[in-house]
Amino acid sequence: GEDVEQSLFLSVREGDSSVINCTYTDSSSTYLYWYKQEPGAGLQLLTYIFSNMDMKQDQRLTVLLNKKDKHLSLRIADTQTGDSAIYFCAEGTGGYQKVTFGTGTKLQVIP
Amino acid sequence: SQTIHQWPATLVQPVGSPLSLECTVEGTSNPNLYWYRQAAGRGLQLLFYSVGIGQISSEVPQNLSASRPQDRQFILSSKKLLLSDSGFYLCASGTSSIGDTQYFGPGTRLTVL
Repeated sequence: GEDVEQSLFLSVREGDSSVINCTYTDSSSTYLYWYKQEPGAGLQLLTYIFSNMDMKQDQRLTVLLNKKDKHLSLRIADTQTGDSAIYFCAEGTGGYQKVTFGTGTKLQVIP
Repeated sequence: SQTIHQWPATLVQPVGSPLSLECTVEGTSNPNLYWYRQAAGRGLQLLFYSVGIGQISSEVPQNLSASRPQDRQFILSSKKLLLSDSGFYLCASGTSSIGDTQYFGPGTRLTVL
């Protein structure tokens, strides 16, 4: 079955860039997502990328996709304390789908 | 845009008691609906999904059941709660506009004692 893996924890200093990595196994994945979960809250969709794209930039967020290696990354520029949260990578195959989520990466931003 | 409501926000229940969690969706019609459980603030486990009224698919055999009595209402139930049912329950609504991108409700924190 599909599998999505992420590192569990990342710590960065405020103002630095954060890079959260994700690998997936389903070669038929069409859509790849990044979600943010703040403590005690639901998941918030941050951004998504189609599998035929290599990069997508949205303000401080940059998503890079290496489809050959099935590797997805999320770069947060000028990381702020408000960026502290758990970040989930997810993949899906389009149309009606069950999206497979990674285990989440907890980002800690040190002031 | 969609808005997903869940209630209650928190719930403490004794072992063996029944459960009913409700999720309603605004701003869309005929969504795909999902129930997830998140244990210890990490990882999402898909419990149930529904593509229409009365259509429920279960992903994991367990002590829980789901129902969809109306297009934008999704209910998670149990007849007798177990300690292992404790967790953070999230409802999500999928829109087919971008590959069923899922939007999440605020969640219900369930503690079974």
